[in-house]
Amino acid sequence: SAVISQKPSRDICQRGTSLTIQCQVDSQVTMMFWYRQQPGQSLTLIATANQGSEATYESGFVIDKFPISRPNLTFSTLTVSNMSPEDSSIYLCSAWPRGYGYTFGSGTRLTVV
Amino acid sequence: AQSVTQLGSHVSVSEGALVLLRCNYSSSVPPYLFWYVQYPNQGLQLLLKYTSAATLVKGINGFEAEFKKSETSFHLTKPSAHMSDAAEYFCAVSLNYGGSQGNLIFGKGTKLSVKP
Repeated sequence: SAVISQKPSRDICQRGTSLTIQCQVDSQVTMMFWYRQQPGQSLTLIATANQGSEATYESGFVIDKFPISRPNLTFSTLTVSNMSPEDSSIYLCSAWPRGYGYTFGSGTRLTVV
Repeated sequence: AQSVTQLGSHVSVSEGALVLLRCNYSSSVPPYLFWYVQYPNQGLQLLLKYTSAATLVKGINGFEAEFKKSETSFHLTKPSAHMSDAAEYFCAVSLNYGGSQGNLIFGKGTKLSVKP
């Protein structure tokens, strides 16, 4: 099966700082997706990242808070900026590698203190 | 717009009993449907998916689901529950945009407990 490598797997950060999460897909994909899973909740789409264009953000998520980069067809980053304890969540990236099902990274468990 | 409803945030069954987790979807076009499992403090694992082929889909760990268009349902079943099945289960829907698949929309999840 296709692999999406996501890092870091977990981090504890001070409020007011920023964390950048990286995702690497082992094949080229058109779109990559970033989700947030708050404690005890389901997954919510943050944004869709296409290579060579600005990410498309869902309602309630803004670029200043969650800037995304998509420099090529296999890589993307999500930054959680100016963090507060409310940002403590699991962040997941995903994609549809050709010939494979919808694939998720292993997730980044973020705790903001 | 498409959406997913999972009936029952918590389901409890006895070991060896039938597992039935309900999922209904709303979509204006034929959807792709998925079931994922999440064990405590772990990521998402794909159990099975429906992508417009056979309506009865078999997945891993003895789970299966049947796509019923008339009922807009995709319920997950397993004939005999095992203690190791205790986890959170998520149903999700996606549209196939002419071969370029879009994002998934998730239900709120159903936590399955298995009693000895």
